[in-house]
Amino acid sequence: GAGVSQTPSNKVTEKGKYVELRCDPISGHTALYWYRQSLGQGPEFLIYFQGTGAADDSGLPNDRFFAVRPEGSVSTLKIQRTERGDSAVYLCASSVLGGRVNNEQFFGPGTRLTVL
Amino acid sequence: GQQVMQIPQYQHVQEGEDFTTYCNSSTTLSNIQWYKQRPGGHPVFLIQLVKSGEVKKQKRLTFQFGEAKKNSSLHITATQTTDVGTYFCAGDRGSTLGRLYFGRGTQLTVWP
Repeated sequence: GAGVSQTPSNKVTEKGKYVELRCDPISGHTALYWYRQSLGQGPEFLIYFQGTGAADDSGLPNDRFFAVRPEGSVSTLKIQRTERGDSAVYLCASSVLGGRVNNEQFFGPGTRLTVL
Repeated sequence: GQQVMQIPQYQHVQEGEDFTTYCNSSTTLSNIQWYKQRPGGHPVFLIQLVKSGEVKKQKRLTFQFGEAKKNSSLHITATQTTDVGTYFCAGDRGSTLGRLYFGRGTQLTVWP
């Protein structure tokens, strides 16, 4: 079956612009995660959805970042007034239940965001 | 600050040599997961360890979870060129269901 998909695969924008990154999780997965990965680093947690609600958004760096998952499937990560420091690969992952055990996370290919 | 420390950052081995990467947490973990990321790819789940002192094997890969549930290791026996990639540990600190704290990763290079 289809894995996690993310669009666009690459996004180049100018400082100060608004961007939206989309994640389409594996069908039936209730948990969805957003991470950010900079070169040479591990994925850094941003936000976690269980169904439609954000169960933990404490990883969002500031109020320029916002994410939604209105119908419990597709999610959109929104970044306002982008800064050069926002440049990174944004990864989305989903898992079946999002519980503590057997919560293998399936990652998408990521969106490479470059802010000029 | 970094919640989960992982060493070494880089490891270069000759094909056939063994490889080990270590992961340490400042706090007790509920469980730990290991992922592999090939160059240009995304993280792919390898295994999850839950119990204190747990040891799991997958062919040439051996995973261990420490007795105190604060450290873990991944050992690869007789590396092959297909093992190339970055190996990440990811700890669940038990604070938020499913939230993982990734280490910085160990980038493995295997010379043929």
